[in-house]
Amino acid sequence: GDSVTQMEGPVTLSEEAFLTINCTYTATGYPSLFWYVQYPGEGLQLLLKATKADDKGSNKGFEATYRKETTSFHLEKGSVQVSDSAVYFCALSDSGYALNFGKGTSLLVTP
Amino acid sequence: GAGVSQTPSNKVTEKGKYVELRCDPISGHTALYWYRQSLGQGPEFLIYFQGTGAADDSGLPNDRFFAVRPEGSVSTLKIQRTERGDSAVYLCASSFGSQNTGELFFGEGSRLTVL
Repeated sequence: GDSVTQMEGPVTLSEEAFLTINCTYTATGYPSLFWYVQYPGEGLQLLLKATKADDKGSNKGFEATYRKETTSFHLEKGSVQVSDSAVYFCALSDSGYALNFGKGTSLLVTP
Repeated sequence: GAGVSQTPSNKVTEKGKYVELRCDPISGHTALYWYRQSLGQGPEFLIYFQGTGAADDSGLPNDRFFAVRPEGSVSTLKIQRTERGDSAVYLCASSFGSQNTGELFFGEGSRLTVL
């Protein structure tokens, strides 16, 4: 079945460092891909998404490109801030509601 | 508040007991979802409502789990004869309309501990 694999954390970075969180997927069809983020004490929220190959999702300085040839959707940010400390989940969906999530990657950004 | 509200935030129960978890979605959202998140795992899909009906309940693990949404707003997830393996955070989410874009608005979850 469809699945998502993302790099294990925790990831610890200094403020203004470059961030990459790797995500690869397996799917029988052509799913939509998502990054969700969970800030401390809050519910999961959609960070960005891409619905077809070569699409780039972006939001709050984060970007991810849907790469069909490498079945990847890596999350990147050029300069992280302390406020980016959170748990990041990669997910895919064929239906738009039954999301398949990865295990999550915890990010801690230190001043 | 304007977000998805879940109660209780924490529930501790004994093996074999019955549990109900409540979800109050964002006003106007017709779609409602339940997910379960076990320790160290990502959320796992359980059930999806469109209005009052369960459009997809394929993620419910067995017949001890049941969910209702009688008036198309608040939903209750019901777990009978709880087992220790049911311990997890149960997440509720809602979204606009019937267009499944993948943008779900999640609550903070109900943490269930079965002793």
